[in-house]
Amino acid sequence: GDSVTQMERPVTLSEEAFLTINCTYTATGYPSLFWYVQYPGEGLQLLLKATKADDKGSNKGFEATYRKETTSFHLEKGSVQVSDSAVYFCALKGQGAQKLVFGQGTRLTINP
Amino acid sequence: NAGVTQTPKFQVLKTGQSMTLQCAQDMNHEYMSWYRQDPGMGLRLIHYSVGAGITDQGEVPNGYNVSRSTTEDFPLRLLSAAPSQTSVYFCASSSPRTGNYGYTFGSGTRLTVV
Repeated sequence: GDSVTQMERPVTLSEEAFLTINCTYTATGYPSLFWYVQYPGEGLQLLLKATKADDKGSNKGFEATYRKETTSFHLEKGSVQVSDSAVYFCALKGQGAQKLVFGQGTRLTINP
Repeated sequence: NAGVTQTPKFQVLKTGQSMTLQCAQDMNHEYMSWYRQDPGMGLRLIHYSVGAGITDQGEVPNGYNVSRSTTEDFPLRLLSAAPSQTSVYFCASSSPRTGNYGYTFGSGTRLTVV
């Protein structure tokens, strides 16, 4: 079945550092790919999305490119802020499906 | 716009008690689902519904029941609570009509079973 794998260990960075959170997936056909963010005590919010190969999703300085050849959707930001501290989830929705499959989540902490 | 509303936000149950977690959406979304979030496990799908009167099991359905009598509501019932059901529960909705914009999530219910 469809699955998503993302780095499980927490990530701690200093403010203004470059961020990469890896995400790879297994799915048949052409799934849609998403990054969700969960701030402390809150529900999940859609951060960005990409629906076809080579699409780049972007929002709030975050970017991720849908790479079909490497089945990846890595999240990047050039200069992180303390306010970016949150848990980030990579997810996919299979082609023609409605179910969303999540990765394990990566906790990001940004120190001033 | 209320979006997806979950109640209660917090709940403590004793082992063996039953309860219903409420979920309502006002976006006329066809698809609704329940997830549980546990440390190191991400979000796991419990049950989902593709429309009123239609429900199906997800990845971890045991111990939970759902029904979908209206488009708006999708309650999750715990039949006999167990400590293993201590978790944060999220309800979400989506619609094919909105394209691939993902889901709208509720703010969650934190359940503790003692």
